[in-house]
Amino acid sequence: KQEVTQIPAALSVPEGENLVLNCSFTDSAIYNLQWFRQDPGKGLTSLLLIQSSQREQTSGRLNASLDKSSGRSTLYIAASQPGDSATYLCAAYTGTASKLTFGTGTRLQVTL
Amino acid sequence: DAGITQSPRHKVTETGTPVTLRCHQTENHRYMYWYRQDPGHGLRLIHYSYGVKDTDKGEVSDGYSVSRSKTEDFLLTLESATSSQTSVYFCAISPGTDSGNTIYFGEGSWLTVV
Repeated sequence: KQEVTQIPAALSVPEGENLVLNCSFTDSAIYNLQWFRQDPGKGLTSLLLIQSSQREQTSGRLNASLDKSSGRSTLYIAASQPGDSATYLCAAYTGTASKLTFGTGTRLQVTL
Repeated sequence: DAGITQSPRHKVTETGTPVTLRCHQTENHRYMYWYRQDPGHGLRLIHYSYGVKDTDKGEVSDGYSVSRSKTEDFLLTLESATSSQTSVYFCAISPGTDSGNTIYFGEGSWLTVV
């Protein structure tokens, strides 16, 4: 059974700082891994999807990497802004029917 | 934004009553999912569908049933609601993530069982 872990559970950084969020998974036989953002009281918004054959994906100030052999993915946020404050979740696609296994998320607060 | 509508968005119900949540999509995607989100547990899959009348259980399916009679609609029914089913329920859709396509989530349905 796939298990996905995110550390830390919460993180507070000053504006402008670069930061890394971590995601680890136990079963390396994944199709791909996806990072989401969730604002309070809202649904999830997809940020980046890394296919199993790729090592990283970039979108603006976000860069996600994937190392299947070590069971790890990282989300790098450059020059953080208060608007980046949200909960960030990673999810691994494994098994049949395109099912996701989610981590419990990292709650990020970017302070002025 | 992907065309996903969940209804109702908020509901308070009494223990023992049946409750149905509806997910409607306008994207014609093959896969539809119901997740619940609880503090400390993250999102957990309840049931999913891979086509009309084709459904299967997720990891927390006890006490829930689903139906999909049309591509665009996926219903989640709590047959006899319990307080442990107080949660936020999210519907999601996908054309099929095997090919690298992403998954889209609805805005959530807040259910309180008293």
